[in-house]
Amino acid sequence: QSVLTQPPSVSGAPGQRVTISCTGSSSNIGAGYGVHWYQQLPGTAPKLLIYANTNRPSGVPDRFSGSKSGASASLAITGLQAEDEADYYCQSYDSTLSGVVFGGGTKLTVL
Amino acid sequence: QVQLQESGPGLVKPSQTLSLSCTVSGGSISSGDHYWSWVRQPPGKGLEWIGRTYYSGSTYYNPSLKSRVTISIDTSRNQFFLRLTSVTAADTAVYYCVRADFGDFHGDIWGQGTMVTVSS
Repeated sequence: QSVLTQPPSVSGAPGQRVTISCTGSSSNIGAGYGVHWYQQLPGTAPKLLIYANTNRPSGVPDRFSGSKSGASASLAITGLQAEDEADYYCQSYDSTLSGVVFGGGTKLTVL
Repeated sequence: QVQLQESGPGLVKPSQTLSLSCTVSGGSISSGDHYWSWVRQPPGKGLEWIGRTYYSGSTYYNPSLKSRVTISIDTSRNQFFLRLTSVTAADTAVYYCVRADFGDFHGDIWGQGTMVTVSS
C-alpha cells in the first residue's frame, strides 16, 4: 500500500487529453511538500517529467503539465502520442516517515 | 553532463549481504546541492525509496528498511554505496542510484539500474 495513491491505469486515444491523479495526506502533499512526476518507459529507468508541482525540466514537451491542490496533485498530458505509453509515478516527501514517498504508479495505454 | 552508474553482483544468496556501488561521472559528488539516493523496483512493481546520503556523510533511511540498510559515500572516489543485510527473495529488484535535489528531493538524474536477484 503506497503512501500516495494513483489510479492503476488510464487510457486515451491519440490526440486526446488524459490526467493522472496523486492523492496524499496532511503529512506529505497536504503539508506543502512538492510533488514530482516521473515517466518510465518499458525496460528503462524513470525519467523526471515534472518537479515542484508544475515545473518541466529542459527537454520535456509542454504537452506535459502538473498541478497541485490541497493534498492532491495531477499530471495532465495533452495531444496524446503513442510514445507516451508508459508508467507514471508521483513522488513527494512525508514528514511522518521522514523520507521520500512514491505513488504506486499508473500505466498509461494509448488506444 | 552528470551520469550515474550502478555496479555490483547480480545474484546474492538469502541471508547474505547485498552490496552495490554508484559511480558519479561528469560532476562532483561533493556538490552541496544534491543528495545521493538509492531507489529500488521489484519486478512488475512500483518504486521504493531506500535512503539517501549527503557529501558530509549524513544519512536518512526508509523506516521499513532502516535496520538492514547502510548508505555510505566516498568523495575522493566520487562514489556512494548501498549495503543491505539479511536479504530475502523480497529484496529481489532493480536497484537505481539517483541524484536528488537538496531542496525538494526530486530525482533529476538516475542510473540505468542494476538487477539484483536473491536466490540460492
